[in-house]
Amino acid sequence: DIVMTQSPDSLAVSLGERATINCKSGQSVLHRSNNKNYLAWYQQKPGQPPKLLISWASTRESGVPDRFSGSGSGTDFTLTISSLQAEDVAVYYCQQYFDTPYTFGQGTKLEIK
Amino acid sequence: QIQLQQSGPGLVKPSQTLSLTCAISGDSVSSNSATWNWIRQSPSRGLEWLGRTYYRSKWYNDYAVSVKSRITINPDTSKNQFSLHLNSVTPEDTALYYCAREVYPMDVWGQGTTVTVSS
Repeated sequence: DIVMTQSPDSLAVSLGERATINCKSGQSVLHRSNNKNYLAWYQQKPGQPPKLLISWASTRESGVPDRFSGSGSGTDFTLTISSLQAEDVAVYYCQQYFDTPYTFGQGTKLEIK
Repeated sequence: QIQLQQSGPGLVKPSQTLSLTCAISGDSVSSNSATWNWIRQSPSRGLEWLGRTYYRSKWYNDYAVSVKSRITINPDTSKNQFSLHLNSVTPEDTALYYCAREVYPMDVWGQGTTVTVSS
């Protein structure tokens, strides 16, 4: 199984400031045939299912604010929120879909400082 | 707009079978580009992918090793839905269960069903 490890486990950021969440995979999730990273980021708010924010490591889903961005390749990835808004308080997860079993990071809880 | 609607009991006795259904609207369980997944979430295990079913000229299933001996995921083309059956449950199977569509990656999720395993 591909182990996904996020850091930090929790993060407190002031409104308007940048938030950065890291995700490391136990093996590369870059597929050589198409040069795509099979890495997604999700946002989960209390009482809701995870919401897909970013696919292919850096492609924002339709309707996701552009303050959210993803970067990285191979085994190291980052989710950045450029200017934190109150509605961004949530738990964020990375997930690899390179191979089954699909695996998730343990989550990063983002709060307002 | 694609929606997944989950149904099934929230309480299951130990050693019995947990059964949940995910009804699909706006897409087809027989789609050649989607897979249909079950995921569960618990404080102890986090988000855990359980398995999927999908159609590519014939039906396929993939299951997590942790539940492989106990799980079945079945498509129902007549009702455009898919189901999860997990047998011989124990309290460790207590979790919030989700169904999800995957079109690389999992982009649409059901609302979730809390399942408690208790006598």
